Amino acid sequence: AQTVTQSQPEMSVQEAETVTLSCTYDTSESDYYLFWYKQPPSRQMILVIRQEAYKQQNATENRFSVNFQKAAKSFSLKISDSQLGDAAMYFCAHREIYNNNDMRFGAGTRLTVKP
Amino acid sequence: DGGITQSPKYLFRKEGQNVTLSCEQNLNHDAMYWYRQDPGQGLRLIYYSQIVNDFQKGDIAEGYSVSREKKESFPLTVTSAQKNPTAFYLCASSHIGRDGLSGNTIYFGEGSWLTVV
Repeated sequence: AQTVTQSQPEMSVQEAETVTLSCTYDTSESDYYLFWYKQPPSRQMILVIRQEAYKQQNATENRFSVNFQKAAKSFSLKISDSQLGDAAMYFCAHREIYNNNDMRFGAGTRLTVKP
Repeated sequence: DGGITQSPKYLFRKEGQNVTLSCEQNLNHDAMYWYRQDPGQGLRLIYYSQIVNDFQKGDIAEGYSVSREKKESFPLTVTSAQKNPTAFYLCASSHIGRDGLSGNTIYFGEGSWLTVV
């Protein structure tokens, strides 16, 4: 099965500043999806952004963008103009499309935003 | 409203008892999943199903069982063989294959807390 690694258990950022969360993955497939999910204290899993492996252009959603490096199997999340509401656990996830179709998650990064 | 409904939100299990967590979706998704989350940890896949009457084990299936008799429903039974069941359980669903509309996004329920007493 594929594996997902988040090497930063905790990160902190000053409000209005920019922070980057790291994620690497391992897969033998060439076609797959990558996701970042946010989990606030309510525990609800909220989709932040997704990237299709066959698209070279990095995905962007308002203040959230990714740096997708397919050859390096790296998928980092950049949060610009950080807000207090961004404080949460962030999970990177990888999903195969044609082989098993399951999704694997990293261990998560806890993001703290300082006022 | 369309979505995934998990029940109950809080459940207490006595030693040696089997308990079942319910998961229902009205999103017409083919695939459904169960994940376990321990405090401060990521999500670990217990079971998943891509079609009615078929399911596959995930990374931590021991001590759990599932059924998929209807497309909308994917209940999870935590059996007495699961020695450390206290955790937060998340059910999810999605389309399968390449889905241009949803981008193969997996959607989650609000979760269920299971505690052994």
